[in-house]
Amino acid sequence: KAGVTQTPRYLIKTRGQQVTLSCSPISGHRSVSWYQQTPGQGLQFLFEYFSETQRNKGNFPGRFSGRQFSNSRSEMNVSTLELGDSALYLCASSSGTGGLNFEAFFGQGTRLTVV
Amino acid sequence: AQSVTQLGSHVSVSEGALVLLRCNYSSSVPPYLFWYVQYPNQGLQLLLKYTSAATLVKGINGFEAEFKKSETSFHLTKPSAHMSDAAEYFCALKAAGNKLTFGGGTRVLVKP
Repeated sequence: KAGVTQTPRYLIKTRGQQVTLSCSPISGHRSVSWYQQTPGQGLQFLFEYFSETQRNKGNFPGRFSGRQFSNSRSEMNVSTLELGDSALYLCASSSGTGGLNFEAFFGQGTRLTVV
Repeated sequence: AQSVTQLGSHVSVSEGALVLLRCNYSSSVPPYLFWYVQYPNQGLQLLLKYTSAATLVKGINGFEAEFKKSETSFHLTKPSAHMSDAAEYFCALKAAGNKLTFGGGTRVLVKP
């Protein structure tokens, strides 16, 4: 079955602009989580959406937001971009039911460069 | 609060030698633990997971890890390194919810 699809793969934006990243989870998965990966801070959790509701949120400013649609596809938005927002943004898909069978499947990421 | 510490940001091994990557965790609840591998400009691929069943967990590509509660450790090993093992490896912890907390990563270099 198809894996997690993130679009676009690469993006260059200017400071002050906003950006929207997209993630299509594995078919049947209802949970989508977003992570930011930078050389300095490593992998940090942004937020998780389950059945169109934000279920968990990391410690990021309000410029970072997300949403999930009824087909489980998710978007994250970053407004008023700063140079420090340059990162690899990873999306993870899981069934959302947790338990012993929990597995998170990651997309290839979107590389955002802010200039 | 949960945290994951990976000892050694870089490890260099010779092809055919043992690979040992160290991971220690802190969790207020029984954790689920994972090892992921990341190749350049790629996402994360799950190597193996511990979810409170057997403490010795076998994963893909010949990797295994042992959960030691008394040492709060979940070290990753592979008996014989292959050139294709050169990548970055991340230990991760899941406590409540689906949030993963990651260690800082260990980059593995394999020398011929």
